[in-house]
Parts: sequence; C-alpha cells; structure tokens
Amino acid sequence: GIQVEQSPPDLILQEGANSTLRCNFSDSVNNLQWFHQNPWGQLINLFYIPSGTKQNGRLSATTVATERYSLLYISSSQTTDSGVYFCAGGLIGTYKYIFGTGTRLKVLA
Amino acid sequence: NAGVTQTPKFQVLKTGQSMTLQCAQDMNHEYMSWYRQDPGMGLRLIHYSVGAGITDQGEVPNGYNVSRSTTEDFPLRLLSAAPSQTSVYFCASRPQGSNQPQHFGDGTRLSIL
Repeated sequence: GIQVEQSPPDLILQEGANSTLRCNFSDSVNNLQWFHQNPWGQLINLFYIPSGTKQNGRLSATTVATERYSLLYISSSQTTDSGVYFCAGGLIGTYKYIFGTGTRLKVLA
Repeated sequence: NAGVTQTPKFQVLKTGQSMTLQCAQDMNHEYMSWYRQDPGMGLRLIHYSVGAGITDQGEVPNGYNVSRSTTEDFPLRLLSAAPSQTSVYFCASRPQGSNQPQHFGDGTRLSIL
C-alpha cells in the first residue's frame, strides 16, 4: 500500500529558529492536509493544500503533487509550536485517508 | 458552532466489555470517519461513511462496528473490548465530493484492562 514518510522524525529548536518539515508519498494522493497535534492531543488543521503554496502567519506550506511531496515551513518558532506535525492525504479513487507517522517538534525557550 | 463532538473523553473498560464511542457533527457533512492513534504513531482509518446508511471499512476495521442512521451521528462500537484496542480514537467529518479539509473531534482516550 501507499507509504507516507515524514522527516525529520524528531526536531529540537531554539525559540526564534526556522524549520522545514517534509512529507513524501509513495504514490499520488489528493486532499493533502497538514495538522498540528498539540500537547493536549487535539488535532489542529493547519493547511488544506492539495497543490501550490499557502501561508498563514509564521507558517507556510508547499505541495508539489507531481513529485508527491509537501513541505511545511515554520518561521520564528515559538514554544507554543511544540507538538507533533502530521501530513495526511486521500487515496485517489477512494474515500480513505492515510497519515504519516509525524514529526515531533520541541521548541526550547 | 460545535463542529465535531466526541463523547466520552476518557473511558476505562475491562476485557470483554462492550462500548459505544459517540461522534456527532453539526456541519451537515456527508463524510465521517473514525481513526485510532497508537503511541508514537499517526492515525489509522478504522471505518468511514459517505452518508446515512452507507459505511465501509478502512485500514484497521477488525473488532469495530459502525452504523450511520443520520447525517449527524456516527457511533463506533466495540463489541468485546481487547487490550489491543487501547488507543486514542478520533472522529472526523468533511463535505463529500468537494475539496475541503477534514475536521477532527478532540478524541476519546480508551484504556482496556
């Protein structure tokens, strides 16, 4: 089946640093989303980005659907950015979604 | 606007007990789904529904039943709980057939002893 690889698996940053998280799919997907799971376990929708680039404050995301990857950029990181970041995509021709295993981010004050 | 509401938030069961996890959404979304998240892992799809009366299996359906009698509600049933079903369960919804994101509930943390 389709595989979703996220890198890096773990990341520690000093407050104010920038970072790039990557999501690779082994096959084409649609409806790609990025989520932040906060320390309380809630899944927060960051971006719905099947293709192209979007920005929301300090966060931005780019999906290159033809090359089956997506990037999440975090600039000027804050301690509140800590948590786990997941990407997820829909399997084309189905109603099924598949999640990556996540990038665990810790931002130090 | 409540969005996706899951109840209960926490539950402890004994092996062999039955349990229904509730999920309700007030956004009139056709598509609803259940996921489980095990420690250190991403979410895996258990079952999904594309409308009232229509359900289908996801990646890990064994041990779980679902039904969809209304657009708003999509309960997940464990008929005979097993320790391997200890997990955090998330419900999600989105409009069907449109390029829209999924919206998630806050999760139910379930422990099977």
